[in-house]
Amino acid sequence: GAGVSQTPSNKVTEKGKYVELRCDPISGHTALYWYRQSLGQGPEFLIYFQGTGAADDSGLPNDRFFAVRPEGSVSTLKIQRTERGDSAVYLCASSLRPGLAGTNEQFFGPGTRLTVL
Amino acid sequence: AQRVTQPEKLLSVFKGAPVELKCNYSYSGSPELFWYVQYSRQRLQLLLRHISRESIKGFTADLNKGETSFHLKKPFAQEEDSAMYYCALSQVSEYGNKLVFGAGTILRVKS
Repeated sequence: GAGVSQTPSNKVTEKGKYVELRCDPISGHTALYWYRQSLGQGPEFLIYFQGTGAADDSGLPNDRFFAVRPEGSVSTLKIQRTERGDSAVYLCASSLRPGLAGTNEQFFGPGTRLTVL
Repeated sequence: AQRVTQPEKLLSVFKGAPVELKCNYSYSGSPELFWYVQYSRQRLQLLLRHISRESIKGFTADLNKGETSFHLKKPFAQEEDSAMYYCALSQVSEYGNKLVFGAGTILRVKS
């Protein structure tokens, strides 16, 4: 494809609702990352997938957040019982594979802006 | 703990003036350092990485391990350089390269 895509581009929901955010990585990229960017801050790491498995989920803030990548391509970030503090831009990135330079450059999607009212 | 500090939220310069965007980091090990740029209404994209030691769009950055800095420099700023710039580091690993970002610096180049 042309690059990493994310849907929806904007999501407005009410406090307590459930949301799903989708990421389509670049075809053939085995590594997929989710980041969250709050207003005035740089992106913060949430979770990393290598293939289908979550190799590092140390950035997930609590158990309301969960992500899957069942076929090693598309990933979905799921947030249960949303809170106003979850409002942020959620970024997805993919790379060819982790490791040394030349393969580990991360290509970012346009992000999903989540607003929790 | 890994940390990246960008002390300036906003840097405003005139066209043709030199630019230096500051970045300091703390990391116990051998990090890989990056500069990412986000132009207006565009996605975040890699500008340069320290191991490449190359100049991109006239920008360079040298890793100074003694001062734990990775400042971004350009001798003559152009209006099209106006953007948000993020410094980031990651651990070189075959198990993933999660990025730790600074808060970013807005560069505004005035004509």
